[in-house]
Amino acid sequence: NAGVTQTPKFQVLKTGQSMTLQCAQDMNHEYMSWYRQDPGMGLRLIHYSVGAGITDQGEVPNGYNVSRSTTEDFPLRLLSAAPSQTSVYFCASRGLDTQYFGPGTRLTVL
Amino acid sequence: AQTVTQSQPEMSVQEAETVTLSCTYDTSESDYYLFWYKQPPSRQMILVIRQEAYKQQNATENRFSVNFQKAAKSFSLKISDSQLGDAAMYFCAYRSGGGANSKLTFGKGITLSVRP
Repeated sequence: NAGVTQTPKFQVLKTGQSMTLQCAQDMNHEYMSWYRQDPGMGLRLIHYSVGAGITDQGEVPNGYNVSRSTTEDFPLRLLSAAPSQTSVYFCASRGLDTQYFGPGTRLTVL
Repeated sequence: AQTVTQSQPEMSVQEAETVTLSCTYDTSESDYYLFWYKQPPSRQMILVIRQEAYKQQNATENRFSVNFQKAAKSFSLKISDSQLGDAAMYFCAYRSGGGANSKLTFGKGITLSVRP
């Protein structure tokens, strides 16, 4: 049982580049979400999805896009990377009550 | 909107001693969940313990227990017999009970160090 997987683990981008952070879960959870973690800020919600075809914005959605075509996958797209998007990104999925997190992606934007 | 406050950015404990990490939250809801997550240097977010607001009994998981004071909106984590492996960042989190789209709100975290 893999749980929640994320790729890549590390990424360096130049300002203006685009990329997709991949997230997949094998627990058949309807709810999935993306967070970013910055020093002294805790984890902040970027986007979330309550099922295939349904997404909504969280606390800090600007500069990010998501889509949910299947229950398993919930990719996060950075359209034009900015240094302010340097952060650690976590994907999570939720069962009945408990949220499970992926291992995180450390993204640096130069 | 719900808020979660962890006012202590850092704490330190002697190995084998007991330490309590504080957390307060603000909500007008009566149905909700509270969580403590541990984040070791590996970066993985690990669920330590959870508490349902409707349960009066404090949750316990081995050496970890909570002191849930609903009226005071306080949710502290007690770690007994501290071990070197307990050194990590700990996050308190809140989630409302209703709705498929209820969100998890985190505090800013506290860094716990364990002295050998």
